[in-house]
Amino acid sequence: AQSVTQLGSHVSVSEGALVLLRCNYSSSVPPYLFWYVQYPNQGLQLLLKYTTGATLVKGINGFEAEFKKSETSFHLTKPSAHMSDAAEYFCAVSERGSYIPTFGRGTSLIVHP
Amino acid sequence: GAVVSQHPSWVICKSGTSVKIECRSLDFQATTMFWYRQFPKQSLMLMATSNEGSKATYEQGVEKDKFLINHASLTLSTLTVTSAHPEDSSFYICSARDPTGPNTEAFFGQGTRLTVV
Repeated sequence: AQSVTQLGSHVSVSEGALVLLRCNYSSSVPPYLFWYVQYPNQGLQLLLKYTTGATLVKGINGFEAEFKKSETSFHLTKPSAHMSDAAEYFCAVSERGSYIPTFGRGTSLIVHP
Repeated sequence: GAVVSQHPSWVICKSGTSVKIECRSLDFQATTMFWYRQFPKQSLMLMATSNEGSKATYEQGVEKDKFLINHASLTLSTLTVTSAHPEDSSFYICSARDPTGPNTEAFFGQGTRLTVV
């Protein structure tokens, strides 16, 4: 069984500040890990994913995440927040070969001017 | 990348009527599609897995007679909410698997906001 824990249902940052969204997972097998972003009344857009290889993964819009097996974490970061980054962010885990990820509860990113 | 399109983006219907939501893979053939439901401020919950040419597999607790899924072609799956009631109001999202290439994830549609009045 797999599970994802996203710490903090809301994260508030100032524009230009560092963004850190936390994600911890549990999986009995080597996982695939994903971060998705969702804007209001829209579907999910893939920000980045880890499948194999380099543990620091770079995605779109300046986001990156690091897979840390020892900590079972896959935290999402961005050096400088923009107002347009305000959205809901979902961390997800799936087994290799599965196309059905298990999603975290989501973290709402609020960006203040 | 692979594109999945849902239609309509939003729909309002009267209680007791049925509503059909379409999920299309635009540039690939999807043997498998997935339907999710998302309540406000919550995560996505898998409702069912739709396989082309066969019956859908429903998750525990999902009423298959309430949420009819048809996957009649390799590019189209439909979700019909029958005899809709206000509690069926929700955001419904589909995803589709591209069986070719090295893809490691399914691709999501833009979602459909259903409001039952």
